[in-house]
Amino acid sequence: DGGITQSPKYLFRKEGQNVTLSCEQNLNHDAMYWYRQDPGQGLRLIYYSQIVNDFQKGDIAEGYSVSREKKESFPLTVTSAQKNPTAFYLCASMNGGSTDTQYFGPGTRLTVL
Amino acid sequence: AQSVTQPDIHITVSEGASLELRCNYSYGATPYLFWYVQSPGQGLQLLLKYFSGDTLVQGIKGFEAEFKRSQSSFNLRKPSVHWSDAAEYFCAVGSYNFNKFYFGSGTKLNVKP
Repeated sequence: DGGITQSPKYLFRKEGQNVTLSCEQNLNHDAMYWYRQDPGQGLRLIYYSQIVNDFQKGDIAEGYSVSREKKESFPLTVTSAQKNPTAFYLCASMNGGSTDTQYFGPGTRLTVL
Repeated sequence: AQSVTQPDIHITVSEGASLELRCNYSYGATPYLFWYVQSPGQGLQLLLKYFSGDTLVQGIKGFEAEFKRSQSSFNLRKPSVHWSDAAEYFCAVGSYNFNKFYFGSGTKLNVKP
């Protein structure tokens, strides 16, 4: 059953701690993305990766880091430098063809206590 | 710069009534346009997409959208709304040069019985 999984669904973090959100896909997609969603602001791009071992900053990359060591995995680390990390985080993937679209995971809700 | 505007934050319609959600975009080249739907706490599901050709595109769940280049719009329509359509709807424009996507801030649809 192909798709994108994100874990955990809910995550709580104390201020000053780093935390890593998992994103795995078995769709054999080349490109993967991380978005942040806040109420009333839609989705904002954090990082994206078009191939293994390569990734680019999106519009709001400060305070976040990623890695892409395997095609199927694109973990996102929210560092203590991120000033307001409480949000809903969505991972997506895409095959990269000219007529393809993004497929989204179910999301992780991060709350900083 | 690329941007997407959804002017209606909230819309309420009666079950069985018609629906139109507005979307305006700003993009320098031929746009690739999408509509997604999101249920609370879930990921995004693709409703339909426009890449080229017929400007009226059909999607899932009885939705359709019309691309109007002269108005820079891609409005989503449904002739008869069902209670299960209550959700948040996002319009997006894709930039294939850089493999990035830009999302509107969303429209929350409420359906009255």
